[in-house]
Amino acid sequence: QKEVEQNSGPLSVPEGAIASLNCTYSDRVSQSFFWYRQYSGKSPELIMSIYSNGDKEDGRFTAQLNKASQYVSLLIRDSQPSDSATYLCAVNGQAGTALIFGKGTTLSVSS
Amino acid sequence: SQTIHQWPATLVQPVGSPLSLECTVEGTSNPNLYWYRQAAGRGLQLLFYSVGIGQISSEVPQNLSASRPQDRQFILSSKKLLLSDSGFYLCAWSPTTPNQPQHFGDGTRLSIL
Repeated sequence: QKEVEQNSGPLSVPEGAIASLNCTYSDRVSQSFFWYRQYSGKSPELIMSIYSNGDKEDGRFTAQLNKASQYVSLLIRDSQPSDSATYLCAVNGQAGTALIFGKGTTLSVSS
Repeated sequence: SQTIHQWPATLVQPVGSPLSLECTVEGTSNPNLYWYRQAAGRGLQLLFYSVGIGQISSEVPQNLSASRPQDRQFILSSKKLLLSDSGFYLCAWSPTTPNQPQHFGDGTRLSIL
């Protein structure tokens, strides 16, 4: 059974700080990794995709992937109260099947 | 660009009543389609996925069923709703090429009375 693990939180950071969200996955052959943001009462929204080891930056967001450690993280720089949401980590499943989602980490940014 | 439509946005149904939720995708052909349920404060539970017309895979045996009568249409149904069917139902699509992300509709919030 392939699994994706996330700390449920809540993770609380002050406005302007760096928020670090972590995710581990069980299937060593996984190839694609995604971060989704879900505001309360809304559907998940894709914010980052990463496929290769290393860092990928998009604005205030940086995704980091370490396949040897089976670890993917999301850094949010200059955190804003509008970043308060649940962040879902997702990993590809077998071909023709759905992504495998973690249960999400709730982030709270205080002003 | 591709868009996904899901309706209704909210639904209140009595126990034992039938259910039909519909999802359509525009701007792409032969997408992979998915139905998820999210209970309050919980993670996403995959219910069904489809890689083509008439091809449905069920992940969790229960009183729900899914159908794909057209390439870009995915329907979630039940003949008799249970209290435990309450939740946030999400439809999603992805391209058929491997390792692509899924994109979600706005969801249907279903309350069973």
